[in-house]
Amino acid sequence: TQLLEQSPQFLSIQEGENLTVYCNSSSVFSSLQWYRQEPGEGPVLLVTVVTGGEVKKLKRLTFQFGDARKDSSLHITAAQPGDTGLYLCAGHNNAGNMLTFGGGTRLMVKP
Amino acid sequence: NAGVMQNPRHLVRRRGQEARLRCSPVKGHSHVYWYRQLPEEGLKFMVYLQKENIIDESGMPKERFSAEFPKEGPSILRIQQVVRGDSAAYFCASSRGAPDTQYFGPGTRLTVL
Repeated sequence: TQLLEQSPQFLSIQEGENLTVYCNSSSVFSSLQWYRQEPGEGPVLLVTVVTGGEVKKLKRLTFQFGDARKDSSLHITAAQPGDTGLYLCAGHNNAGNMLTFGGGTRLMVKP
Repeated sequence: NAGVMQNPRHLVRRRGQEARLRCSPVKGHSHVYWYRQLPEEGLKFMVYLQKENIIDESGMPKERFSAEFPKEGPSILRIQQVVRGDSAAYFCASSRGAPDTQYFGPGTRLTVL
């Protein structure tokens, strides 16, 4: 069974601060996706990383896939209240049949 | 372009009743996945279907739960004789192929009284 551990589970910071969310596993994933979920809604895709060592940037968000494709991180620069939400990482198994989700990081950015 | 559509958005059932959850994938997507999210937990895979075929149902409870994706029409997740523990948000996702990026619907929130 492939497992993804996300940390931290909860994060409360002030506007303008930087933060990093981690997603770790002992298993190799063929690709890894980051989603953001608002209360009462479904997860919305932020990025997909496929290649070990890959770095992708989306405005103030930087995503990295570990060289061994077992871990990933999401770094947010100068967080804003609009970044508040639940961030989920999810890895594809080798067959691509399913996504294994981490437990999520609930971020609150205070103005 | 319409994304994944799910209905109903909210469903209330009494113990012992049946729940039917519908999912229409993104146009052009032939792969559908169902996930369940219990309160304060992450999403857990239930079943993966292609048109008229169940490909992987390793996450489905053995009893009372079934899923289909007919040639025409939406995918259906059916829960018979619901119990309180079935209360959760059920999300459908679709993709063009596998492995491929999965796009999620808004979910159906099932409450069992």
